[in-house]
Amino acid sequence: DIQMTQSPSSLSASVGDRVTITCRASQTISSHLNWYQQKPGRAPKLLIYAASNVQSGVPSRFSGSGGGTDFSLTISSLQPEDSATYSCQQSFNTPYTFGQGTKLEIK
Amino acid sequence: EVHLVESGGGLVQPEGSLRLSCSASGFTFSIYNMNWVRQAPGKGLEWISYISSGSSPIYYADSVKGRFTISRNNAKNSLFLQMNSLRAEDTAVYYCAREVTHLLGGYQYHYMDVWGKGTTVTVSS
Repeated sequence: DIQMTQSPSSLSASVGDRVTITCRASQTISSHLNWYQQKPGRAPKLLIYAASNVQSGVPSRFSGSGGGTDFSLTISSLQPEDSATYSCQQSFNTPYTFGQGTKLEIK
Repeated sequence: EVHLVESGGGLVQPEGSLRLSCSASGFTFSIYNMNWVRQAPGKGLEWISYISSGSSPIYYADSVKGRFTISRNNAKNSLFLQMNSLRAEDTAVYYCAREVTHLLGGYQYHYMDVWGKGTTVTVSS
């Protein structure tokens, strides 16, 4: 199975900050990497697919990059509503696997 | 509007069974592959099963293989998860999720773009 490792596990940042979360795959997955946002008690929401494609309706401050084994999710200017847990997921093959999540707190 | 609604969760004893349902609306259910994903309390997301639009192929996570069965009824816009021999570690919120297959640059990419709100399964005596 492909293992997905995110860092950091948690972070705290201020409104307006630029924030980057990284995700590493245990083997190459090309660009088969998706990012989800999840708020407490809510279902996950797709942010980024195929490593760098922003899902329709997602604010432009969210972006994704990377390929192979190393990926990142960047929020260019943090907003209060971005407080959530962010998870990466590989769709290169089954079993699909998720990172352990990064909990983002707004200071 | 596109919606997925899970049902069937509840409290069940170890070794018991439960059947989850996911009702789809607002889109052509029969052309989409579907997944079940769960989240144990305080833990991350765990993919557990996939079913293609035509019910073959089907895939399972090792953690549920041989105990859970995914199925669908395209005529009724419904997805199911039959869960047998339940264990305490199966306690989680169970989500159904629609999978999109997107052609980009000659390659197919897969992602889960619509999720239900989830149904809670608690396995405890």
